Amino acid sequence: AAGVIQSPRHLIKEKRETATLKCYPIPRHDTVYWYQQGPGQDPQFLISFYEKMQSDKGSIPDRFSAQQFSDYHSELNMSSLELGDSALYFCASRSRSKNIQYFGAGTRLSVL
Amino acid sequence: LAKTTQPISMDSYEGQEVNITCSHNNIATNDYITWYQQFPSQGPRFIIQGYKTKVTNEVASLFIPADRKSSTLSLPRVSLSDTAVYYCLLNDYKLSFGAGTTVTVRA
Repeated sequence: AAGVIQSPRHLIKEKRETATLKCYPIPRHDTVYWYQQGPGQDPQFLISFYEKMQSDKGSIPDRFSAQQFSDYHSELNMSSLELGDSALYFCASRSRSKNIQYFGAGTRLSVL
Repeated sequence: LAKTTQPISMDSYEGQEVNITCSHNNIATNDYITWYQQFPSQGPRFIIQGYKTKVTNEVASLFIPADRKSSTLSLPRVSLSDTAVYYCLLNDYKLSFGAGTTVTVRA
């Protein structure tokens, strides 16, 4: 079965640089969620999109933005990167008919 | 305020049954109870979801009493590969991860 695809799997950036993370949801899933998991921490909800519109917002810094495109894939844009942004970033998708989120393998971002 | 409370850690041995109880005193009427498993550096993996009574699938069982203020995930005959963090979540829409339970299975 198709799963949530995230790219890239690993990303290394310098401080103050920008990064773009991509998420391709499971086919026919219309809702996408982004989570951040710092070292030794639990995942924290960042933002979500339903039918290409932002549906909820969590603890997402103002330096971050995201959008969902017409093909339902989503991108998380991160600017002015800080050392504290180093984390695993997970994307999850969900269909309207089932209240279950399925997670991707994540993108590991390292800010040096 | 944490929506769910579960033990920080549990130890077990191969072949034993592991039961993890989660408290959710303020569960809302439209909340489902969902459990995820997470291995280090991997995305959370859906295990099981329930609303009330008992749900069973090929990997686990979920027991929910009538008042729904707690739930118990039961993992039958665990193996070393079941060593992971287990999260109990109430999902009305987005998932609010609290501190999960680190289950360590020993040989």
